[in-house]
Amino acid sequence: RKEVEQDPGPFNVPEGATVAFNCTYSNSASQSFFWYRQDCRKEPKLLMSVYSSGNEDGRFTAQLNRASQYISLLIRDSKLSDSATYLCAVDSGGGADGLTFGKGTHLIIQP
Amino acid sequence: SAVISQKPSRDICQRGTSLTIQCQVDSQVTMMFWYRQQPGQSLTLIATANQGSEATYESGFVIDKFPISRPNLTFSTLTVSNMSPEDSSIYLCSVEAGYGQETQYFGPGTRLLVL
Repeated sequence: RKEVEQDPGPFNVPEGATVAFNCTYSNSASQSFFWYRQDCRKEPKLLMSVYSSGNEDGRFTAQLNRASQYISLLIRDSKLSDSATYLCAVDSGGGADGLTFGKGTHLIIQP
Repeated sequence: SAVISQKPSRDICQRGTSLTIQCQVDSQVTMMFWYRQQPGQSLTLIATANQGSEATYESGFVIDKFPISRPNLTFSTLTVSNMSPEDSSIYLCSVEAGYGQETQYFGPGTRLLVL
């Protein structure tokens, strides 16, 4: 399986600020991309899928850049409750099953 | 999304023993997977649990160490065999959303400590 790379952080961001982080992937055959959120000692929970045209869900915007092989996550008006680890996940392409995860970016929203 | 449960939620085991983890889904799903998340690390796919046939293992994982059963479309087990402290990890099952989507949803995980 190919690699998925993320900046581990931590990103320390004041409440209300906008924060963005990227995730690069090496497998050009990948077709499906996701952002998951993982709280301490909990399982990953799907935050959003990432579509070619980009997609937005409230304060969260995800974008895909196939040419440069990265996906991004933008969080606007950050809340204290946004503090978590954000994992990007990429499919393996070529019909193989399962997802490859990055190591996650740790985000801390400070009051 | 499907409701996924795992048993046990946590366990402390002695080296050399084996532990079987159960994953139950509240609806029939085609694809089920087992992942491992070691301390401070991300998730690593162990295998795809295939219903009615042998699991498909990822590089670095073998059936003798991690035998998997998938007797039906709602249930799977993962056994961690002949455990060593290096097997201490969180083990998570996941299911695919279906309808051609590769979105996966995760169970709550089993936290294993091997002494």
